[in-house]
Amino acid sequence: QQQVKQSPQSLIVQKGGISIINCAYENTAFDYFPWYQQFPGKGPALLIAIRPDVSEKKEGRFTISFNKSAKQFSLHIMDSQPGDSATYFCAARGNTGTASKLTFGTGTRLQVTL
Amino acid sequence: DTEVTQTPKHLVMGMTNKKSLKCEQHMGHRAMYWYKQKAKKPPELMFVYSYEKLSINESVPSRFSPECPNSSLLNLHLHALQPEDSALYLCASSQGAGNYGYTFGSGTRLTVV
Repeated sequence: QQQVKQSPQSLIVQKGGISIINCAYENTAFDYFPWYQQFPGKGPALLIAIRPDVSEKKEGRFTISFNKSAKQFSLHIMDSQPGDSATYFCAARGNTGTASKLTFGTGTRLQVTL
Repeated sequence: DTEVTQTPKHLVMGMTNKKSLKCEQHMGHRAMYWYKQKAKKPPELMFVYSYEKLSINESVPSRFSPECPNSSLLNLHLHALQPEDSALYLCASSQGAGNYGYTFGSGTRLTVV
């Protein structure tokens, strides 16, 4: 019930291309879906997030598409750059009432080549 | 100040040692979290403090002992750890159960020898 499945495990994209990472969840009580970017030796940094009452959110080159009925969401990185090379985690937030907790997907290692 | 600060950045400890990890935020966030991250794996939740009270313990072994002295500080006390406890320990904070944004620190890289 608490799982978030993420694919692909790794992704190689040419500079200027589109990177697409997909996630699926099971728990319909999740109420917030962020994407995090993590560079080696650093903590995850919030990239973009969406709530389930919205089907798409765009911030610069980053877009989240959300399909509530399919319980799936995806991250699109337009015009991918070498500086985007990092590990990306999707996550989903569950609320226990007194506290919230993020459950992370398994991660996607993105490499953007020249 | 929009950061979560973790100290130390690196820690090497023996299996009989006692050490502590520290986390600090000055964003007025009322929820704070400890996560453990092994190499090439996602962060795994360990503890959640909400309004300075322990709200969630994800069945973490007692050799890890969290403490929240005040709303800005979070500690993780370590005792009698095992080599398999070596990992990146991440602290995060958010405004509370009703708000959504989480801010992560850069972590403490712990090595148990």
